[in-house]
Amino acid sequence: GAVVSQHPSWVICKSGTSVKIECRSLDFQATTMFWYRQFPKQSLMLMATSNEGSKATYEQGVEKDKFLINHASLTLSTLTVTSAHPEDSSFYICSAECESCVLIRDSFTDTQYFGPGTRLTVL
Amino acid sequence: DAKTTQPNSMESNEEEPVHLPCNHSTISGTDYIHWYRQLPSQGPEYVIHGLTSNVNNRMASLAIAEDRKSSTLILHRATLRDAAVYYCILDQTGANNLFFGTGTRLTVIP
Repeated sequence: GAVVSQHPSWVICKSGTSVKIECRSLDFQATTMFWYRQFPKQSLMLMATSNEGSKATYEQGVEKDKFLINHASLTLSTLTVTSAHPEDSSFYICSAECESCVLIRDSFTDTQYFGPGTRLTVL
Repeated sequence: DAKTTQPNSMESNEEEPVHLPCNHSTISGTDYIHWYRQLPSQGPEYVIHGLTSNVNNRMASLAIAEDRKSSTLILHRATLRDAAVYYCILDQTGANNLFFGTGTRLTVIP
């Protein structure tokens, strides 16, 4: 249980195009999802917090008009990189907060489950 | 933001225990201590978390110092699949905003 998927797993696009990345919680509902970015050999950087049915909260230095986040349902959040440029090439990772998530073999609550990531390359 | 300090890298022999330290001297009373690990080209994976008491699960154990200013993640028998970057993170607000530090890159030697 507590699986998070991302689509696509990798994408290559031309400079100036927009790219949409989907994050889904497959077997639980997530009122809160998070989007991270990770450059090579660096740690994850939190970009924004996505709350179902409301506007996302962006971290300082992240352009909200460039990285559009939509969290229309309890199982889906999308990140759209608008007018992508080569410097936007990165590994984008989402996570979903599983509130009161109890698993069969392990019991833990209020933790985040991460997707497998989407590698974006902008030419 | 309360920060955590971890060694950049550690090595362990296969099938031996590994103790990964983390310092968090500015931790506040309500901060949870989370550990995640990240294998190459994958998203982070939850390992364990705790508040005050030591915690055990099927993946690892978490030993928390009495003053909570440090903690240790214990892998009881390292396998090659445990080679990853391990992140020690404080959940400051209770809202699960996880701010990743640089982590410890664990190398497991066959």
